[in-house]
Amino acid sequence: QVHLVQSGVEVKKPGASLKVSCKASGYTFVDYGIIWVRQAPGQGLEWMGWISPYNGNTNYAQRFQGRVTVTTDTSTSTSFMELRNLRSDDTAMYYCARMYTSQSVDWFAPWGQGTLVTVSS
Amino acid sequence: QSVLTQPPSASGTPGQTITISCSGSSSNIGSNTVNWYQQLPGTAPKLVIYNNHQWPSGVPDRFAGSKSGTSALLAISGLQSEDEADYYCAAWDDNLSGPVFGGGTKLTVL
Repeated sequence: QVHLVQSGVEVKKPGASLKVSCKASGYTFVDYGIIWVRQAPGQGLEWMGWISPYNGNTNYAQRFQGRVTVTTDTSTSTSFMELRNLRSDDTAMYYCARMYTSQSVDWFAPWGQGTLVTVSS
Repeated sequence: QSVLTQPPSASGTPGQTITISCSGSSSNIGSNTVNWYQQLPGTAPKLVIYNNHQWPSGVPDRFAGSKSGTSALLAISGLQSEDEADYYCAAWDDNLSGPVFGGGTKLTVL
C-alpha cells in the first residue's frame, strides 16, 4: 500500500528556516513526482512546489520563489521541503502528495498526514 | 483569491443529490483534466475524482464528476452523513506549470 509519512510538528521563530520531510513507501519512488501544498488555518489549499525524483526537475509557485527549495533523496525515497525566512503568515499545515502528471492528466494521491508549522515570536 | 471558483457552501439531506460547481479558464480547466479532493475535518485531502470523471479505487460511485469547457461539476448522490466535508476542485495550469485549486466548498448534511 502506498503511504507518505511526514515529519512532526514544528514551532519556529520569525526569520528562521523550516525543513519538512516526506517519506514514501509502497511504490517506485522515481516513477511519480512529489508536490508540496500548504493550508493556512481555516483556508484553502495552496501549491508551493513540485519535484520529479526521476531527474530532479523542480517548479515553484511564484509567491514562494527564492524562499522555498524542494529536494529528494532517492536512496531513502524521501522528499524535503525547505522554507526560509519564515513569517507569521507561514503558520499552516504543510502537506506532501504523490503526483502523477502526463499529457494533460494529473492527480495527487495519496497525501501525507500533514505537518503543522507554527511561526511565532 | 483562488484561481478556480467554487461556491463556499452546499447542503442537503440524507439521500439527496447535491452538486458543486467549479469554474476556471482556458489555461487550466479548458486545457487539462479536473480532479476533486475531499477533506474530512482534521484530515488530509483525499482524491475522490480524477481525469474529470474517474474514481480512484475505494471511492463509491455515488460521486460523479463532469467537465464542459472551462467548468466542472461534482455530484454526490444518496447523500450520507459521512460525506460532510470540504471539497476542492483542482486542475493543472499551463501558464503556471503547476496546479490551481478552488477555494473549497463546505458540504453540510442536514
